[in-house]
Amino acid sequence: NAGVTQTPKFRVLKTGQSMTLLCAQDMNHEYMYWYRQDPGMGLRLIHYSVGEGTTAKGEVPDGYNVSRLKKQNFLLGLESAAPSQTSVYFCASSYGASGGWKNEQFFGPGTRLTVL
Amino acid sequence: EDQVTQSPEALRLQEGESSSLNCSYTVSGLRGLFWYRQDPGKGPEFLFTLYSAGEEKEKERLKATLTKKESFLHITAPKPEDSATYLCAVQAASNTGKLIFGQGTTLQVKP
Repeated sequence: NAGVTQTPKFRVLKTGQSMTLLCAQDMNHEYMYWYRQDPGMGLRLIHYSVGEGTTAKGEVPDGYNVSRLKKQNFLLGLESAAPSQTSVYFCASSYGASGGWKNEQFFGPGTRLTVL
Repeated sequence: EDQVTQSPEALRLQEGESSSLNCSYTVSGLRGLFWYRQDPGKGPEFLFTLYSAGEEKEKERLKATLTKKESFLHITAPKPEDSATYLCAVQAASNTGKLIFGQGTTLQVKP
């Protein structure tokens, strides 16, 4: 199993450009998440999904959109990139929020995005 | 407001010198407390989940404990390969699925 994969690994954008980050998981997980990680700020939740066709806002959703058309994929879009969106983006997945030991989230390797 | 604070921000140890990392939390009903390890340039790697006060879990040189207000990650006789950033996160009963992360403790173990 590949676990959680992310595409691309690195990207440089100019202000105003758009792009989509792709996350894929092969563990049949119901829940998927997008985080950003910035120095001194820790990991912050952008958007998440509790199942195919559903999405919800996290802590820092402004400037981002998401879609979950297939259970195994979760897309993060930047419609008009800004320098403040320079960050490392991580995708994660989990079995679901209910229950006990299945709650842990599994993370992908990250996408390093620079917006000039 | 749910919050997680980790201390210290950075910790330098000599190989074999045991120590503890702290994770203090305030949360409206704890569903679980999670510890992750993150190596430079990589995604967080799951270590432990703790669910109730008094619970302990061990993995090699690491031992995680939980009280009603904080969790400790004890590192016994660390080796240089234990060098990493250790992240603590909580999941509140009211926030389905969502984790709230602390800022992490960066551990450096020198040979």
